[in-house]
Amino acid sequence: GAGVSQSPSNKVTEKGKDVELRCDPISGHTALYWYRQSLGQGLEFLIYFQGNSAPDKSGLPSDRFSAERTGGSVSTLTIQRTQQEDSAVYLCASSRTGTDYMLQYFGPGTRLTVL
Amino acid sequence: RKEVEQDPGPFNVPEGATVAFNCTYSNSASQSFFWYRQDCRKEPKLLMSVYSSGNEDGRFTAQLNRASQYISLLIRDSKLSDSATYLCVVNLEGSYIPTFGRGTSLIVHP
Repeated sequence: GAGVSQSPSNKVTEKGKDVELRCDPISGHTALYWYRQSLGQGLEFLIYFQGNSAPDKSGLPSDRFSAERTGGSVSTLTIQRTQQEDSAVYLCASSRTGTDYMLQYFGPGTRLTVL
Repeated sequence: RKEVEQDPGPFNVPEGATVAFNCTYSNSASQSFFWYRQDCRKEPKLLMSVYSSGNEDGRFTAQLNRASQYISLLIRDSKLSDSATYLCVVNLEGSYIPTFGRGTSLIVHP
């Protein structure tokens, strides 16, 4: 079946602009996660959704970052007034609930470059 | 002390070699453990879960040592295609947020 998809695959933007990153999880997966990974670094947790609600937003680095999920499916991560330090690969992952919730399936990521 | 620590490597081994990585975790309440593999400029993919009794999948063996708070991954008969970064993932009981290690880089050369 189809895996997790993300769009765009690459985004180059100018400092100060807003960007929207999209994630389509695997159908039927109720849990959705956003991470970011800077070059040579580990995965940094940003936010977790269970259905449409976000029980844990603790990883969002600043109030310029926000995310929403609608219909228990597609999620959008928005970064306002982008800064150069926002440059990274933004990864989305989804998983089932129940005993398999920790088996995360990742999308290919969006590579964001802020000039 | 970081919650999950891994030797970044790189581990540079010839084809056919056996190589092992460890990953230490700081929270004794950690409940679930996994190894993910990440190829260069690709997304992480689940390699295997780590069970208390240890588990084996072909050339790969994962083990958990709760007393010393580490998990290990052993790769036998290394292939060129095993070259990747191996991420250790740990989760606390009752938490839905996993903690990823920064990964160990493996390079298998001819």
